[in-house]
Formats: sequence, structure tokens, C-alpha cells
Amino acid sequence: QQQVKQSPQSLIVQKGGISIINCAYENTAFDYFPWYQQFPGKGPALLIAIRPDVSEKKEGRFTISFNKSAKQFSLHIMDSQPGDSATYFCAAATGNQFYFGTGTSLTVIP
Amino acid sequence: IAGITQAPTSQILAAGRRMTLRCTQDMRHNAMYWYRQDLGLGLRLIHYSNTAGTTGKGEVPDGYSVSRANTDDFPLTLASAVPSQTSVYFCASSGGQGAFHEQFFGPGTRLTVL
Repeated sequence: QQQVKQSPQSLIVQKGGISIINCAYENTAFDYFPWYQQFPGKGPALLIAIRPDVSEKKEGRFTISFNKSAKQFSLHIMDSQPGDSATYFCAAATGNQFYFGTGTSLTVIP
Repeated sequence: IAGITQAPTSQILAAGRRMTLRCTQDMRHNAMYWYRQDLGLGLRLIHYSNTAGTTGKGEVPDGYSVSRANTDDFPLTLASAVPSQTSVYFCASSGGQGAFHEQFFGPGTRLTVL
């Protein structure tokens, strides 16, 4: 059973557009929600993370929106660039237990 | 600065053979993790270690064992490999225990079990 459900599986966005990736979870014990970026042949790298006591966190062009009551969170990439083309994973964690979504392959077209 | 190194980069293994994947970090991080990444399933936690001398089970621990004799090394052993263990394996470390601490991932080991 997938603890974290991620959508869409793939996404194509024009340069300068907004990329939006959504995740949902069920376990209310989760208290940390990171997003990772992974390029082909590389390990994932932390992009941005949020705790459930805030509804939004922004770092540069990347924003996490968090809806605790709906148990959903999303990643928004503003002014998407070709260099953002990668696979993005959401995750939810409590203690040492990290659960990842299935990933979204983002392609930004020049 | 190497960060996290994993060896081998890739390996083809016959079913039933024993295999140890190596992971070394030079960041003096307390916590270390092993994940497997499979297409359509994302990353799944196999085992973790909060500090040297302690280990814990993740989401998919069956068929795998780990040890943490010192801070820097966290090997993952497949005692008798099966084809379902074909995957890309990532080691990670973090400066603190549990959530809220950024995990740094290694480059991965691609394992094929025939």
C-alpha cells in the first residue's frame, strides 16, 4: 500500500510556465514533508521541505503548499526552466521512517 | 569532499549468491539509510541506523541485513540474492536522527539479479 500518492506521473511545461505536482497521504503521524529532485544517473537531492505547522514555504522559484486538513501537499515551480527537467519525489516522514511518492517526470520545453 | 560513496557502481549477480553493497560517508553524520528505487514505486526504505552500533528496519527489510560498526560505513548485505532484488540501491546519511534532517544521497548501485 502506497503511503504517499503522487500525481501526475509525468508533466510537460513550457519554459516560463508553472509546474505543479501533488501528493496526498493518510497517516496523520507524518510530521515532515520533503521534496527531492533527481537527475538521471544521480541520487535524489533535497529541494525543499515543510513541517505541518505551516501552510506554505517558499524558496526561490519553489513553493510547497500544505493542507493539513486535506492531508495534501504540493510543489509549485514558478518560471519553470529547461534545467528543472528532472524527476521529482515527494515524501512524508515520521521518526526514521521515510515514505516516498512514485515520482513525477518533469520536462520543461524551451 | 566526497560526501557519500557507494560501491560497486553496478553489478550483475546470479540468484542465490551473497552480495554486499558498500556505503561510506565522510561527513561524520550520525544517521544512515539504505533505499531501493524501482520504477513506478519510488524509493523505499530498507534499513536505517541512528548511530554506530544501532540499526532499524524500514518499509522493505526482508532479504537484507545491515551493520554499523563505525560512523562512516554502512554496508548492505543480500545473503542469498533473488531476482526481485534487482533494483537501484541508494545509501543516504543525515546529520541528525529521524525526520527534520536533510538526507544526502549517494550516487547509487545498480544491481541486477539473474
